[in-house]
Amino acid sequence: GEDVEQSLFLSVREGDSSVINCTYTDSSSTYLYWYKQEPGAGLQLLTYIFSNMDMKQDQRLTVLLNKKDKHLSLRIADTQTGDSAIYFCADPNKLIFGAGTRLAVHP
Amino acid sequence: DGGITQSPKYLFRKEGQNVTLSCEQNLNHDAMYWYRQDPGQGLRLIYYSQIVNDFQKGDIAEGYSVSREKKESFPLTVTSAQKNPTAFYLCASSTGTTTRDTQYFGPGTRLTVL
Repeated sequence: GEDVEQSLFLSVREGDSSVINCTYTDSSSTYLYWYKQEPGAGLQLLTYIFSNMDMKQDQRLTVLLNKKDKHLSLRIADTQTGDSAIYFCADPNKLIFGAGTRLAVHP
Repeated sequence: DGGITQSPKYLFRKEGQNVTLSCEQNLNHDAMYWYRQDPGQGLRLIYYSQIVNDFQKGDIAEGYSVSREKKESFPLTVTSAQKNPTAFYLCASSTGTTTRDTQYFGPGTRLTVL
């Protein structure tokens, strides 16, 4: 069946770039989302990318989509302690979410 | 302010009791959703509703029930038949009925069964 997979943990130093990866199985997804969840809170939409795009940049965030490999990534430049959270990639058409990547930012 | 509210934030219940989690939105969204979040498993869809008086089972509907009598409200009942109800429950809504577009999430309810 359809699936969205992510690695569970990522630890980076403050000021470095973070790259969170996601793979998906359903190639018919028309767009894919990235959500951010801070501790004890709901999910906030960070950004999304349409399937006809390879890259989308929004301030410190860069989303890359490789449709051939069914691979999606979220790059956060100049990572700050406020970026510490769980990041989910999601296929909204299929209502499928990845397990979430917990990003820890240390000084 | 427009948004989605869930109440209560923390909920405790004894084994064998039913409990209802509230979800209200004033975004005028047609579609509403309930997810369950467990550590390391991400979000799993329990039920969703695309329109008033209609709802569909998600991937893990057993032991749960919902109603959609009003557009702005989508309460979730966790019944005693749910074998492992302790989890974080998230409600979401979106504008789409024929396409599932951006979902806006509530702050969540953490349910603990004692």
